[in-house]
Amino acid sequence: GQNIDQPTEMTATEGAIVQINCTYQTSGFNGLFWYQQHAGEAPTFLSYNVLDGLEEKGRFSSFLSRSKGYSYLLLKELQMKDSASYLCAVDGGATNKLIFGTGTLLAVQP
Amino acid sequence: SQTIHQWPATLVQPVGSPLSLECTVEGTSNPNLYWYRQAAGRGLQLLFYSVGIGQISSEVPQNLSASRPQDRQFILSSKKLLLSDSGFYLCAIRDSYEQYFGPGTRLTVT
Repeated sequence: GQNIDQPTEMTATEGAIVQINCTYQTSGFNGLFWYQQHAGEAPTFLSYNVLDGLEEKGRFSSFLSRSKGYSYLLLKELQMKDSASYLCAVDGGATNKLIFGTGTLLAVQP
Repeated sequence: SQTIHQWPATLVQPVGSPLSLECTVEGTSNPNLYWYRQAAGRGLQLLFYSVGIGQISSEVPQNLSASRPQDRQFILSSKKLLLSDSGFYLCAIRDSYEQYFGPGTRLTVT
């Protein structure tokens, strides 16, 4: 079967670093995506990993280990505006369909 | 770069009424197009995807249908809405490896 797991909620402090984990089990793999979704808005693309390792993009980094079926999103120098849901999604490969996790709601506190 | 338009932005419809949501895309040709639904507090559920004009694949059996009459137009329809059809409907486009979402339509069935 296809399964994506993420923690439901996390809390972190402004200025700190937070790591949001995602584990997956899919029949195929053609890349892993992270999206940010603020309440009431559409998801916005953050990152894409298809090879093992760390991809850095400003304050956000994403890591992938295909052998472990594991990824994380690292947010540095947290700001209040980073309070949002973070969605992990896997491309199962067959027809470019993304399978989404239920998302992690991150609350950044002062 | 691509632009995704969705309308209407919000919609309140009574149970049993018909539905038509439209998504149009600019800035690309022959894209893969997707309809997702996000119920309140839930993850993203893929409803339909299309790899070309007139080609529709359904992911979840339900009272919704989709059509793609033109390359950059994707329509989501229902003949009779149910209360459970309430949610945030998102159109998405796949461009190489990135997937982008439109602004969404928030549907409330009363």
